[in-house]
Amino acid sequence: QKEVEQDPGPLSVPEGAIVSLNCTYSNSAFQYFMWYRQYSRKGPELLMYTYSSGNKEDGRFTAQVDKSSKYISLFIRDSQPSDSATYLCAMKEDDYKLSFGAGTTVTVRA
Amino acid sequence: EAQVTQNPRYLITVTGKKLTVTCSQNMNHEYMSWYRQDPGLGLRQIYYSMNVEVTDKGDVPEGYKVSRKEKRNFPLILESPSPNQTSLYFCASSTPTGAARGVTEAFFGQGTRLTVV
Repeated sequence: QKEVEQDPGPLSVPEGAIVSLNCTYSNSAFQYFMWYRQYSRKGPELLMYTYSSGNKEDGRFTAQVDKSSKYISLFIRDSQPSDSATYLCAMKEDDYKLSFGAGTTVTVRA
Repeated sequence: EAQVTQNPRYLITVTGKKLTVTCSQNMNHEYMSWYRQDPGLGLRQIYYSMNVEVTDKGDVPEGYKVSRKEKRNFPLILESPSPNQTSLYFCASSTPTGAARGVTEAFFGQGTRLTVV
């Protein structure tokens, strides 16, 4: 079993819909949680960073961490075609080893 | 412009021929790392470096070497490449301090697509 599980999708939604992405993990020592966006043929781009449990909002993006359930989520409100990309979750303990999910491919239809 | 630059972007080589993929960042970051990305497996860490002359193995270090002689550069060396090292490689960097101390991979390069035949 992988340390971080992420449904690869693909996920297709109409423009303006809410996109809901999630990851589950098995390592209870993970403290730092991140979401990256990766466009085709590009490197990952850091979107959101959360320490420990709770919610964090940045514009149309909201990240949630539920450590008791070992479950993290990313919500994208009012989705746009430019949000079409692969979204990667990542998490780590208080060290230098980052564990990534496999990524979810999202398409927002105009 | 703040960036992480990898070269080459594309490389096709033959089994056993030593190669180096370069990575350079212009943000004075202490931390740098290398990843490979494979379909269905996501990104897996190969090596990382906390600062000049300080490196450590990630999850998949076999068949790779690194060095960190200067702060800005972190080359990835494949001494004897094999077909199972065919992959998309990414370099990343950051300065993980303060409120963002958990963010070790803040900036990624554009990637190097390596094919070993």
